[in-house]
Amino acid sequence: AQTVTQSQPEMSVQEAETVTLSCTYDTSESDYYLFWYKQPPSRQMILVIRQEAYKQQNATENRFSVNFQKAAKSFSLKISDSQLGDAAMYFCAYRSANQAGTALIFGKGTTLSVSS
Amino acid sequence: SAVISQKPSRDICQRGTSLTIQCQVDSQVTMMFWYRQQPGQSLTLIATANQGSEATYESGFVIDKFPISRPNLTFSTLTVSNMSPEDSSIYLCSARGGRTSGPDYEQYFGPGTRLTVT
Repeated sequence: AQTVTQSQPEMSVQEAETVTLSCTYDTSESDYYLFWYKQPPSRQMILVIRQEAYKQQNATENRFSVNFQKAAKSFSLKISDSQLGDAAMYFCAYRSANQAGTALIFGKGTTLSVSS
Repeated sequence: SAVISQKPSRDICQRGTSLTIQCQVDSQVTMMFWYRQQPGQSLTLIATANQGSEATYESGFVIDKFPISRPNLTFSTLTVSNMSPEDSSIYLCSARGGRTSGPDYEQYFGPGTRLTVT
């Protein structure tokens, strides 16, 4: 079975600084998707960024980028120029691409606080 | 993107009673899921709601405790039956796949239902 591990329960960063959230996963599959979701205090889950395992190029969405290391099964999220609105719980998630009906598997999450 | 609404947003219930949570998606979707989340914790998949057939439950979750319906491609309900304080949690509906919900690999979430059992 696939597992997702986030080893940082809490992280903090100052406004305008850069922070990296770590995620590792375990799978025997070669084709899958990886995601980072953000959950602010409002509870609404927001998709931040996604990565297809077959793509070597790291995904980027504005201030958010990932470092995808397939061999190491690592998928970290870098947030540049941090803003107060980035404060939230961040979840790393995995989904198999081999089975159409599979759901997301989540890590335990990292709570990010941003200070001014 | 798909917009998902849930009702109720929160409820306080007596032990031994049941609560049905409704999930409505603004467009037809292929897959619908129900998750449980303790405050400050990760999401645990309860089941996949299958349109026109019985839901597929994850280990540790059973139909008698969490009956699920999905009568069409935009609506699902989750019932928490014979509740105990251990059922106090946030229940989230999620959906994926469909003509207007973006690429199949995008999965969207409702705002959640916060349930407290006393």
